[in-house]
Amino acid sequence: AQTVTQSQPEMSVQEAETVTLSCTYDTSESDYYLFWYKQPPSRQMILVIRQEAYKQQNATENRFSVNFQKAAKSFSLKISDSQLGDAAMYFCAYRAFNSGGGADGLTFGKGTHLIIQP
Amino acid sequence: KAGVTQTPRYLIKTRGQQVTLSCSPISGHRSVSWYQQTPGQGLQFLFEYFSETQRNKGNFPGRFSGRQFSNSRSEMNVSTLELGDSALYLCASSLGTGDYGYTFGSGTRLTVV
Repeated sequence: AQTVTQSQPEMSVQEAETVTLSCTYDTSESDYYLFWYKQPPSRQMILVIRQEAYKQQNATENRFSVNFQKAAKSFSLKISDSQLGDAAMYFCAYRAFNSGGGADGLTFGKGTHLIIQP
Repeated sequence: KAGVTQTPRYLIKTRGQQVTLSCSPISGHRSVSWYQQTPGQGLQFLFEYFSETQRNKGNFPGRFSGRQFSNSRSEMNVSTLELGDSALYLCASSLGTGDYGYTFGSGTRLTVV
């Protein structure tokens, strides 16, 4: 079974600084997707960034970028120029393609609580 | 356009009762997935429906069931509620069952007493 591990239960960063959240995963599949989701106190899960495993280039979305190391099964999220609105729980998630042509459900890590210090 | 709508937002039920939660996906989205979020177990996949058919199922007991209607709206049912079923239940919709990104709703907070 696939597992996703986030080893940092909580991280704190000063506003405008850069922070990196760690994620490792375990899978025997070669074709899959990786995601970072953000969950603010409003409870709604918001997609931050996604990475297709077959793409070697790291995904980037404005201030958010990933460091995808497929061989090491590592998928870290870097947030540049941290803002107060970035404070939230961040979840790393994995999704594999299945034999039916679709994809499995998301497997989530336990999350990292990100605190932004003003 | 309207997002994913889950109703009700909060619910309190007694152990042994059953409950039905509702999810209306984004217009045009045909896939609806359900997740359970608890402090202990984190986020766990329940099931996914596409075109009124269950396509994927997580590792949950048969007390948890769902269905999808022709308009893509979905309901999730939990029978014989247990205290451990207290959780935030999140619904997510997407265009299809492949690599499309999910859009999540704000969830239904179920408390079993």
